[in-house]
Amino acid sequence: SAVISQKPSRDICQRGTSLTIQCQVDSQVTMMFWYRQQPGQSLTLIATANQGSEATYESGFVIDKFPISRPNLTFSTLTVSNMSPEDSSIYLCSVERSSGKTDTQYFGPGTRLTVL
Amino acid sequence: DAKTTQPPSMDCAEGRAANLPCNHSTISGNEYVYWYRQIHSQGPQYIIHGLKNNETNEMASLIITEDRKSSTLILPHATLRDTAVYYCIVRGRMDSSYKLIFGSGTRLLVRP
Repeated sequence: SAVISQKPSRDICQRGTSLTIQCQVDSQVTMMFWYRQQPGQSLTLIATANQGSEATYESGFVIDKFPISRPNLTFSTLTVSNMSPEDSSIYLCSVERSSGKTDTQYFGPGTRLTVL
Repeated sequence: DAKTTQPPSMDCAEGRAANLPCNHSTISGNEYVYWYRQIHSQGPQYIIHGLKNNETNEMASLIITEDRKSSTLILPHATLRDTAVYYCIVRGRMDSSYKLIFGSGTRLLVRP
């Protein structure tokens, strides 16, 4: 498995501001992912972040709105820029671990964001 | 788009087995079946996964039909702490996008 921490665990922000969410994993991983979970909804992948390369964004998500950094193999940040109330969600990071013949993703505890 | 179909909700009595079904009729030969659960807005927790053989670990058992078009997650002795949303996901071993596509899942309520 993997031990993943996220900071902050929750925040309340004003419209128009930006928030950077940190994700730290207990050992080196190649692939990290950022998801969004809007209220009452399932998880949606925002982007995949590999160390040493630019993040790959899913349809509907753009770098200007959700810039991602991946400075090393244990850490990543997601910034939610120019926030609006529609950005109120839980943001989760996950990492991919290989175990024998298969890969498994493990998730952090999430960051609950409320935008006023 | 999600490749699986699950009932929106189920319930079972505490101490009894919880059997959660999942249909994945379009699964391809190299795709695995993964199960996660999410307890009230926490991060999803990995439970188990399998390809074609039945699998068991300390949390649950996974039964996959011979044609691989459906599977069942079994929690042998459900407790109140097993109340959660359970997600069944299919994904290839070498899927280039490594995506986990979450559907709506099954909301399991364990009754005292």
